Amino acid sequence: DAGVIQSPRHEVTEMGQEVTLRCKPISGHNSLFWYRQTMMRGLELLIYFNNNVPIDDSGMPEDRFSAKMPNASFSTLKIQPSEPRDSAVYFCASSNVYNEQFFGPGTRLTVL
Amino acid sequence: AQSVAQPEDQVNVAEGNPLTVKCTYSVSGNPYLFWYVQYPNRGLQFLLKYITGDNLVKGSYGFEAEFNKSQTSFHLKKPSALVSDSALYFCAVGSSNTGKLIFGQGTTLQVKP
Repeated sequence: DAGVIQSPRHEVTEMGQEVTLRCKPISGHNSLFWYRQTMMRGLELLIYFNNNVPIDDSGMPEDRFSAKMPNASFSTLKIQPSEPRDSAVYFCASSNVYNEQFFGPGTRLTVL
Repeated sequence: AQSVAQPEDQVNVAEGNPLTVKCTYSVSGNPYLFWYVQYPNRGLQFLLKYITGDNLVKGSYGFEAEFNKSQTSFHLKKPSALVSDSALYFCAVGSSNTGKLIFGQGTTLQVKP
C-alpha cells in the first residue's frame, strides 16, 4: 500500500487566490482527518469524516475553509480566498475507527 | 472533555542513556492512547498504542510506554537512546465513542552523542 497520498507537496500562492489540497486515504480506511501544523499553534484538527460524512468541523478556522469527501478514496481541503496567516503544513490522515491514524507527508502551503 | 498534556517542551539525553517522554491525559470512559514521532519535514509516524490489556506496550524502534490508570499517565520510554531518536514526539488520546484523537503539543527529544 502506498500510504496516504497528498498533493501538492508544496504550494506557493498569493493572497486572495484559491488553494485546493488533495488527499487519497489508505484503501479500506473509513475515517479521514485534516490537520494543520504551525510553530505557533502546534497540530490542530480541522475536520474529520467517517464513511465520507463530515462528523466534526469545529476546528475549521473560518468560512474561507471548506472540505469535501465525494468518495472513499478522495478528499479536498479548499481555502478561498487564501491569506498569509493560512501558511502552514497541512496533513491528511486516515484510519479505521479506534485504530491508529496514518499520516500523509503533508502539503507545505505558503501564502504571500 | 478529552485532553492530553506533555509537560516538557524538550528533553535532552545522552546517547546510550535511558529516556522518558512524559504524557498525562484526561478522558471520560476508557482511553485509547497513542504515541507518534515526527522527523523534520515529514508526517507523523505511529509508534505504539494502548487500547486494552497489558499496561506495558511495546512499539517500533525499541520504544515502549506504560499505561498508568491511577496517575492517568502514558509515558514513553526507551532503555538506551540513539542519536537517530532525536525528533518531535506526540502523545494522543481518543475515546471509545469516536475515531478522533486529541494530540499533545509535542516534546522535542534531543539525543547527544
